[in-house]
Amino acid sequence: DTGVSQDPRHKITKRGQNVTFRCDPISEHNRLYWYRQTLGQGPEFLTYFQNEAQLEKSRLLSDRFSAERPKGSFSTLEIQRTEQGDSAMYLCASTLGGAINEKLFFGSGTQLSVL
Amino acid sequence: AQSVAQPEDQVNVAEGNPLTVKCTYSVSGNPYLFWYVQYPNRGLQFLLKYITGDNLVKGSYGFEAEFNKSQTSFHLKKPSALVSDSALYFCAVIRGSNYQLIWGAGTKLIIKP
Repeated sequence: DTGVSQDPRHKITKRGQNVTFRCDPISEHNRLYWYRQTLGQGPEFLTYFQNEAQLEKSRLLSDRFSAERPKGSFSTLEIQRTEQGDSAMYLCASTLGGAINEKLFFGSGTQLSVL
Repeated sequence: AQSVAQPEDQVNVAEGNPLTVKCTYSVSGNPYLFWYVQYPNRGLQFLLKYITGDNLVKGSYGFEAEFNKSQTSFHLKKPSALVSDSALYFCAVIRGSNYQLIWGAGTKLIIKP
């Protein structure tokens, strides 16, 4: 499978714990995005990378959230001191190219439940 | 503020009938508009996009969308619905030059046999 893969598919954690998600984009895709999606809503932008550089972060992304993309390949999203409001589907997407209008390829997401 | 609206939470269509899923947008400058589909337990998949040119855009799985600048709409259409088209459909627009997609809330499409 050469699509975008995310791990784990599901994560259940207790409030206050730290969690880390991984995204492996399609190889050679230089742009990588993280989104958050809650039931009944469209995806909400969190952050994006061009190669290894994190170029933009949403104002919604509190200091408990951090993302990395070392070497411009896979990316990790860490949430520290999780809260119940963090429960959502976390989506990763990647694309190739410098044009603003390139389509995104999405992974199946990581469903986070904070108890 | 730039935004996308999908006025219908759910659309029900009989198999074989034409379908329309509505989307309106508010964006400064020329819009870049997209439709994505989300099947249960699967990631979002690109259907089609409008960048410039012909107002009727053809995409995957027989879908098409019509860009209407005067009505600021980008409705998704298909001449003959299939049960397998049942899914969640999202309209999105690129905001400015920062590569961010602004998404609608989604429309659940149910095709009944």
